[in-house]
Amino acid sequence: DIVMTQTPLSLSVTPGQPASISCKSSQSLLQSDGKTNLHWYLQKPGQPPQLLIFAVSNRFSGVPDRFSGSGSGTDFTLTISRLESEDVGVYFCMHSKQVPLTFGGGTKVEIK
Amino acid sequence: QVQLVQSGTEVKEPGASVKISCKASGYTFIDNYLHWVRQAPGQGLEWVARIYPKSGDTIYAQKFQGRVSVTRDTSISTAYMELTRLTSDDTAVYYCLGRAVQYWGQGTLVTVSS
Repeated sequence: DIVMTQTPLSLSVTPGQPASISCKSSQSLLQSDGKTNLHWYLQKPGQPPQLLIFAVSNRFSGVPDRFSGSGSGTDFTLTISRLESEDVGVYFCMHSKQVPLTFGGGTKVEIK
Repeated sequence: QVQLVQSGTEVKEPGASVKISCKASGYTFIDNYLHWVRQAPGQGLEWVARIYPKSGDTIYAQKFQGRVSVTRDTSISTAYMELTRLTSDDTAVYYCLGRAVQYWGQGTLVTVSS
């Protein structure tokens, strides 16, 4: 199974300031078709996860452009350029290269 | 719009079985893998199973082999997950995840308690 290691465990960020979350996989997520199926989700309290970024760097429909994803191979980053109060919650990465799907442990983002 | 709507909260005794449904709308159900994922209280996310609705082909996480069964009814765009021989460790919110892992169901809380 692919192990997803996410850091940090938590972040406390002043509104308007940037935030960055790292996700590392135990093996390359690059597929033979050239795609890399690494995705980022946000889970707000009491809600199901919602997709933010798919395939490393593609913003999902309706996701504000302050969210961006980058990376390749085994190292990936989610960046929030200017944190807003509505961005609080737990962020996690997930790969869908193969089954089992596996997940980062999550990063809890709070407002400072 | 795309929706995955799951069945409601379940409370079961140890040793019982539970069957959860996930009804898809707004996309072509049969052409997209549908996954089941669970989240125990205060824990991370754990993949349980996958079904390809067009063929009915399934694959299960090793730890659930023999206890889980995922089926589908393509006539109503609905997938089902049945988990048997429940223990307290199965207490969790169970989610379906579909359309290229883009959409999650709202979750179904399963509580196993005597």
